[in-house]
Amino acid sequence: SAVISQKPSRDICQRGTSLTIQCQVDSQVTMMFWYRQQPGQSLTLIATANQGSEATYESGFVIDKFPISRPNLTFSTLTVSNMSPEDSSIYLCSVRQGSQIGYEQYFGPGTRLTVT
Amino acid sequence: GIQVEQSPPDLILQEGANSTLRCNFSDSVNNLQWFHQNPWGQLINLFYIPSGTKQNGRLSATTVATERYSLLYISSSQTTDSGVYFCAVLSDSNYQLIWGAGTKLIIKP
Repeated sequence: SAVISQKPSRDICQRGTSLTIQCQVDSQVTMMFWYRQQPGQSLTLIATANQGSEATYESGFVIDKFPISRPNLTFSTLTVSNMSPEDSSIYLCSVRQGSQIGYEQYFGPGTRLTVT
Repeated sequence: GIQVEQSPPDLILQEGANSTLRCNFSDSVNNLQWFHQNPWGQLINLFYIPSGTKQNGRLSATTVATERYSLLYISSSQTTDSGVYFCAVLSDSNYQLIWGAGTKLIIKP
């Protein structure tokens, strides 16, 4: 199973600023995902980040607000731009790995963001 | 698209009790996972179980794909079992995980 680390683990930011979250995986993976989890809610997919191509954003998320980089098969960053209090959430990096029995998805420890 | 429903939404138990959490899905799936989100927010993989039964210590899971449901059993609950349990299935249409709303479990000492 993949081991995923994220930095920072938490941050408190002021309205209007930007924060870049880093995600590092201990093995090469093709498919990486960024999720948002608002307080008391389930997970919402922000975008899929595949190495060598532009990220694919889900409905309601745009590149100007959540730019993503994927420079190689073990690393990705998500930037939350021009933050507002509504962006206060846990942001999770995830990877999907295949095996003989199918595809299993793994998650990083998350970045807990509070915007004041 | 596929719908995933979990029940109960909340469950409060005394330490040592057993519990059963349910996940219903509206269409056939080839991929189903159970996760535990601990109070610190970390998502922990419990089971990858598109069909059949698996056990890992005090936890076990059963998926009956033909009847479109999965069950997660927790025996002899401990306070460290507290958190939210999520079921997620992989959509055949867009190959993304579709999440249930979760079951919030509180184990009292």
